[in-house]
Amino acid sequence: AQSVTQPDIHITVSEGASLELRCNYSYGATPYLFWYVQSPGQGLQLLLKYFSGDTLVQGIKGFEAEFKRSQSSFNLRKPSVHWSDAAEYFCAVAPGGATNKLIFGTGTLLAVQP
Amino acid sequence: NAGVTQTPKFQVLKTGQSMTLQCAQDMNHNSMYWYRQDPGMGLRLIYYSASEGTTDKGEVPNGYNVSRLNKREFSLRLESAAPSQTSVYFCASSGVGTGGRETQYFGPGTRLLVL
Repeated sequence: AQSVTQPDIHITVSEGASLELRCNYSYGATPYLFWYVQSPGQGLQLLLKYFSGDTLVQGIKGFEAEFKRSQSSFNLRKPSVHWSDAAEYFCAVAPGGATNKLIFGTGTLLAVQP
Repeated sequence: NAGVTQTPKFQVLKTGQSMTLQCAQDMNHNSMYWYRQDPGMGLRLIYYSASEGTTDKGEVPNGYNVSRLNKREFSLRLESAAPSQTSVYFCASSGVGTGGRETQYFGPGTRLLVL
């Protein structure tokens, strides 16, 4: 079945440490790929997106993500986490480029320790 | 620009009551969406509208109706609320941005509790 998997439900990192959040998808063709962040009690904010071309994409707030076709992955990274990054992160996939049919992962909740 | 706005922010209903969730966008987007968010399940699409006057079912449309009132506004109606509809509801709209592809932008959400 087609799906988007975020294998880590909850991650805790220390402030200043590096971060990698995993996202895998199972669709035949290369989809469009997105990462959103949701702060407590807030809506979803777009961090970055991949449509085609350079497989390393830069987003807001110092985040980046790398598309790896061979691994069907689109992992989100940040070299140094700040306390304000504590939030829930969602990977989303538009299969076949159908952006009206976004499929969301179940989210990864990030906690940041002082 | 306010982006995507939703009203109300919070609502408590009794089983069987009806209500309408309102959504408006000021980005001149053609497409609008309603999602629900439940713990451990991510966001699931309820309905979407590709343009004014058109609506289509998403993954979980049962128990809901929608109206695309005009290009700016897209409402979600619960005719007879059930406890299973307790959730956080997000409206989104999409338009072509950087990269030449459509991207969805979300409102702040409506938290609904059905007793």
